[in-house]
Amino acid sequence: DAGITQSPRHKVTETGTPVTLRCHQTENHRYMYWYRQDPGHGLRLIHYSYGVKDTDKGEVSDGYSVSRSKTEDFLLTLESATSSQTSVYFCAIRGGNTGDYTGELFFGEGSRLTVL
Amino acid sequence: AQSVTQLGSHVSVSEGALVLLRCNYSSSVPPYLFWYVQYPNQGLQLLLKYTSAATLVKGINGFEAEFKKSETSFHLTKPSAHMSDAAEYFCATDWGGGNKLTFGTGTQLKVEL
Repeated sequence: DAGITQSPRHKVTETGTPVTLRCHQTENHRYMYWYRQDPGHGLRLIHYSYGVKDTDKGEVSDGYSVSRSKTEDFLLTLESATSSQTSVYFCAIRGGNTGDYTGELFFGEGSRLTVL
Repeated sequence: AQSVTQLGSHVSVSEGALVLLRCNYSSSVPPYLFWYVQYPNQGLQLLLKYTSAATLVKGINGFEAEFKKSETSFHLTKPSAHMSDAAEYFCATDWGGGNKLTFGTGTQLKVEL
């Protein structure tokens, strides 16, 4: 158990409303990631974080912002949700400590977001 | 950026038959390569990983994969499929200095009696 909790697990919202998804880890890992999963696209990286207040963009970052004010929490915000952001969102943490790269990611159980 | 291509979005095999899921990578330098499995309504979990230590990599649940540089391939195999193997499988490679994984589009494995 990698100690990753995502909330909410399910959310239905309307176009134009803001949405925040939370990822919480208990393992004190440095690297955290947000992916979205869509049929035919696999998983695509939205943003990632390599430390408190240190974040960077992934391949599909438009329309999303992130924040990491504490090691254990990584927030994903949709400022104004659109129907194209209907998806399943996964948080992940990277296994291994600094200097011991294993590449393995541990995933949360996902947050299913529907934008009407 | 490095990428992986999974051939076949759906594969169906009979229970007890060989499982072969295909993955090709695009890179001039042998990358790190991974296979992940996703069961319904769950997150992904690691099956196995290649990090250049050995070309034949053994993973959990009887799966293995062979890194073939000449073919830029990293296909996943299992000698005998079990009903519990039905899931979606993702090939992945690292990108951007090893801090980000890029995933293939996934292969849904169906196991029939």
